[in-house]
Amino acid sequence: GQNIDQPTEMTATEGAIVQINCTYQTSGFNGLFWYQQHAGEAPTFLSYNVLDGLEEKGRFSSFLSRSKGYSYLLLKELQMKDSASYLCAVRVKANQAGTALIFGKGTTLSVSS
Amino acid sequence: DTAVSQTPKYLVTQMGNDKSIKCEQNLGHDTMYWYKQDSKKFLKIMFSYNNKELIINETVPNRFSPKSPDKAHLNLHINSLELGDSAVYFCASSHRQGVGYTFGSGTRLTVV
Repeated sequence: GQNIDQPTEMTATEGAIVQINCTYQTSGFNGLFWYQQHAGEAPTFLSYNVLDGLEEKGRFSSFLSRSKGYSYLLLKELQMKDSASYLCAVRVKANQAGTALIFGKGTTLSVSS
Repeated sequence: DTAVSQTPKYLVTQMGNDKSIKCEQNLGHDTMYWYKQDSKKFLKIMFSYNNKELIINETVPNRFSPKSPDKAHLNLHINSLELGDSAVYFCASSHRQGVGYTFGSGTRLTVV
């Protein structure tokens, strides 16, 4: 089966740093993705890791350890607009023909002033 | 604008009705998907098409039937709607081995 775990909710204050963890147990692995979803909107792509290590992209960084089945998303210099759900997703081989993104249940981050 | 567009954005209908949601992408992607997001915000894959061919069909009631007339379009038809079908349905597209998906803005379906 496919299992992706992340905390349900997190809170932080403006200017702070927050780390959202994700652990996964999936049948196959073909990359790990982080998406941001504001309420009532579509998920938008944040980052992609396929090899172990840290990928940095402005205020956002994502880390992957394939041996541990573990990733985190690091958000620095938090802003109010970062209040959103953060979705961890693993791409798995669905069958001979294709792959699919399997999503965790998302972490709702609330940033306060 | 290059995007994934789906219509309608909102759909309110009675139990037992049949309805369709349309999706189109102009990104040149070869793979399209339907995801369902329930009230707990859990995004779950329903179907995937690659070049008009169904490649993923998760455990979805057969009242749901996807149709892909060409690789830029993937429509979702739902027969005999039930209360439990109320959710937000997202269309998405990608290159088959590409990085990440592009999602449409979602269709909020409410069955009353």
